[in-house]
Amino acid sequence: EPEVTQTPSHQVTQMGQEVILRCVPISNHLYFYWYRQILGQKVEFLVSFYNNEISEKSEIFDDQFSVERPDGSNFTLKIRSTKLEDSAMYFCASRRQPNYEQYFGPGTRLTFT
Amino acid sequence: QKEVEQDPGPLSVPEGAIVSLNCTYSNSAFQYFMWYRQYSRKGPELLMYTYSSGNKEDGRFTAQVDKSSKYISLFIRDSQPSDSATYLCAMTGNQFYFGTGTSLTVIP
Repeated sequence: EPEVTQTPSHQVTQMGQEVILRCVPISNHLYFYWYRQILGQKVEFLVSFYNNEISEKSEIFDDQFSVERPDGSNFTLKIRSTKLEDSAMYFCASRRQPNYEQYFGPGTRLTFT
Repeated sequence: QKEVEQDPGPLSVPEGAIVSLNCTYSNSAFQYFMWYRQYSRKGPELLMYTYSSGNKEDGRFTAQVDKSSKYISLFIRDSQPSDSATYLCAMTGNQFYFGTGTSLTVIP
């Protein structure tokens, strides 16, 4: 069964460093998403991406965040200058069409040294 | 008012019990409703997907939507210890909105 994959499973960073989180959505899906979940809190929407551009973003998705689909399979989330409050699980998701069910990857845990 | 309200629990039931999980929402534009199961430190796993008022059954799981009351439910029959997880309701307009999740423990 096709699934969304994410790498790395755990990313350790330092204050002010740039990180890139990678996702491979399900191959025939066209809509891509990033979410975050701070430990013990709910899943929060960050951004949606379609046709090589951002279609929606939340207030969390500020200038330090960017997304990219550099090739036909990968979908990345870049955090330019990480802060302690960025510690969370970051989930990628994809779906085939609007209003179809959305499938999540296993997540990347972002922590600090 | 939050877009989606969900009782966080925790909820603890004996094995074999019927579990009822609920969410309310405020935005009448929501048309598609989902239930996800999330094990600790894992990604949400889609359980049920509905788009109309009424019931949808899949094995031991039944999803119920009442759009007039802006209320959705997930029922789990014959609950098993493996059902112990956090259950998230989600619904979509332009964005996806998740409930806070209800933590369920099924005791053998």
